[in-house]
Amino acid sequence: EADIYQTPRYLVIGTGKKITLECSQTMGHDKMYWYQQDPGMELHLIHYSYGVNSTEKGDLSSESTVSRIRTEHFPLTLESARPSHTSQYLCASSGRTGGHEQYFGPGTRLTVT
Amino acid sequence: QKEVEQNSGPLSVPEGAIASLNCTYSDRGSQSFFWYRQYSGKSPELIMSIYSNGDKEDGRFTAQLNKASQYVSLLIRDSQPSDSATYLCAVNWAGNTPLVFGKGTRLSVIA
Repeated sequence: EADIYQTPRYLVIGTGKKITLECSQTMGHDKMYWYQQDPGMELHLIHYSYGVNSTEKGDLSSESTVSRIRTEHFPLTLESARPSHTSQYLCASSGRTGGHEQYFGPGTRLTVT
Repeated sequence: QKEVEQNSGPLSVPEGAIASLNCTYSDRGSQSFFWYRQYSGKSPELIMSIYSNGDKEDGRFTAQLNKASQYVSLLIRDSQPSDSATYLCAVNWAGNTPLVFGKGTRLSVIA
């Protein structure tokens, strides 16, 4: 089982603020992912990375950006938060072995007022 | 477009019954298949993985895969109210690609 951490767990912030959601994993996984999920709705992949200095956009267009400078760290940044960004953000990681199963962090619930 | 289809539910079963959750996928070349459980307000938790045709059992859970029919299912025996959650089916198309998730089936186990 992967150990994957997200901070903060809850964030309430005003419109126009810059925010960074942190995600770290201690399993040495090379692949990391960010998903967005509204309550009761499906998961949407917004960003992923296959290694250091590698980032790709997912299926859902997002105004957020990501970086991967260290293997264990995959932060997501919103330069100017808007109420439409209110959602749950889930980070996940997967390794080279097995079937590429993904392990999820606890999530960050973001509310933009 | 790779697709994973699930009935959204809710699927309601009485306590102690067998819950059967189904998933179909569009690409015959899919390699690995997963079931996740997601409680309301929580993140998805991996509960089963299956890679070859047939059944795989783990406690009260059995995953079934039929690649010819492009069908994977999850059986939960002796269902408990604590099994009430949304179950997500996920498929890996080819090694180095993100999993594709279905929209999930909401299961309600009635005491």
